[in-house]
Amino acid sequence: KQEVTQIPAALSVPEGENLVLNCSFTDSAIYNLQWFRQDPGKGLTSLLLIQSSQREQTSGRLNASLDKSSGRSTLYIAASQPGDSATYLCAVTTSYDKVIFGPGTSLSVIP
Amino acid sequence: ETGVTQTPRHLVMGMTNKKSLKCEQHLGHNAMYWYKQSAKKPLELMFVYSLEERVENNSVPSRFSPECPNSSHLFLHLHTLQPEDSALYLCASSQGGSSFYEQYFGPGTRLTVT
Repeated sequence: KQEVTQIPAALSVPEGENLVLNCSFTDSAIYNLQWFRQDPGKGLTSLLLIQSSQREQTSGRLNASLDKSSGRSTLYIAASQPGDSATYLCAVTTSYDKVIFGPGTSLSVIP
Repeated sequence: ETGVTQTPRHLVMGMTNKKSLKCEQHLGHNAMYWYKQSAKKPLELMFVYSLEERVENNSVPSRFSPECPNSSHLFLHLHTLQPEDSALYLCASSQGGSSFYEQYFGPGTRLTVT
């Protein structure tokens, strides 16, 4: 059974710091891994999607990596800003009807 | 309208009521999903429709009943709910049929069962 975990559960950093969020999954048989951002009480915004054949994806200040063999992904945020404060979720897709989410990392960037 | 929309955004209902949640996607996708997000729990996938065919999910109670009349619309019919069903219900869509299952989410419906 696929399980997804995220470490840390919460993180508080001063503005301008670079930071790394971690996602781990137990079964390497995945189609893709997706990182989302969720603001309080809102829906999810897709940040990056990494196909199973890819190693990383970049968008602006965000960089996500994927190591299927070890069951790990990291989301790197460069030069953090207060507007980056949100909950970050990772999810793995094992088939079109199996999407498993992690519990999320709550990020707070202090001005 | 763009992306994925959901109505209503907030809903309060009693345990004996019947209500429906609506989702509409304007992205030309052919798969739609219902998720439940409870406090302090990861998102749970409830139902999937791909090409308007429902994928059975035996773990969801029968008081939740999905309907997908076409590839752009998805409903979640609710009846005789319990207080523990209070949660944020999120709809998503994706383009299925390949490994590129990037999901796009709506803003959610905040449901409170009294």
